[in-house]
Amino acid sequence: GAGVSQSPSNKVTEKGKDVELRCDPISGHTALYWYRQSLGQGLEFLIYFQGNSAPDKSGLPSDRFSAERTGGSVSTLTIQRTQQEDSAVYLCASSLAGAEQYFGPGTRLTVT
Amino acid sequence: DAKTTQPPSMDCAEGRAANLPCNHSTISGNEYVYWYRQIHSQGPQYIIHGLKNNETNEMASLIITEDRKSSTLILPHATLRDTAVYYCIVRTHGSGNTGKLIFGQGTTLQVKP
Repeated sequence: GAGVSQSPSNKVTEKGKDVELRCDPISGHTALYWYRQSLGQGLEFLIYFQGNSAPDKSGLPSDRFSAERTGGSVSTLTIQRTQQEDSAVYLCASSLAGAEQYFGPGTRLTVT
Repeated sequence: DAKTTQPPSMDCAEGRAANLPCNHSTISGNEYVYWYRQIHSQGPQYIIHGLKNNETNEMASLIITEDRKSSTLILPHATLRDTAVYYCIVRTHGSGNTGKLIFGQGTTLQVKP
């Protein structure tokens, strides 16, 4: 079956602009996660959605970052007023509740 | 979640077994051991997980010591396509736990012809 998909695969934006990154999880997966991976760094948790529960936003680095998940499926990660340090690969993962996570291919964001 | 310690890098000859160690000496009774890998320029891929019994699937085997303070991931016949960064992660299950993964630096496995 189809895996996790993300779009766009690459995004180049100017400093100060807003960007939206999209994640389509595996159908039926109730949990959705966003992570990011900066150049030469490990993977860093950002935010978690589970069903209708309040999201766990504990990993968001600043209030310029936000995410929503509409209808329990597609999720959008928004970064406002992008900075150069936001350049990274943004990864989305989904899972059944408490089960192993399946990752998408990521969106490579470059802020110039 | 408990912290894990892995060697930064390992080499393995193609066709031989790759044995990747992980220490998790502060693991608690309800924490599972998970292994993921990340091939260059791809998202992480789930490999296997276990609580206290040894586990095997089509990709690998997971051997967990009796005291659960360490584990070994075994790729029985490594191929060049197994070259990747391998992450050992411990996490809890159950309601109230987000299941977020805390990634360390992992082990870079280089499979050589």
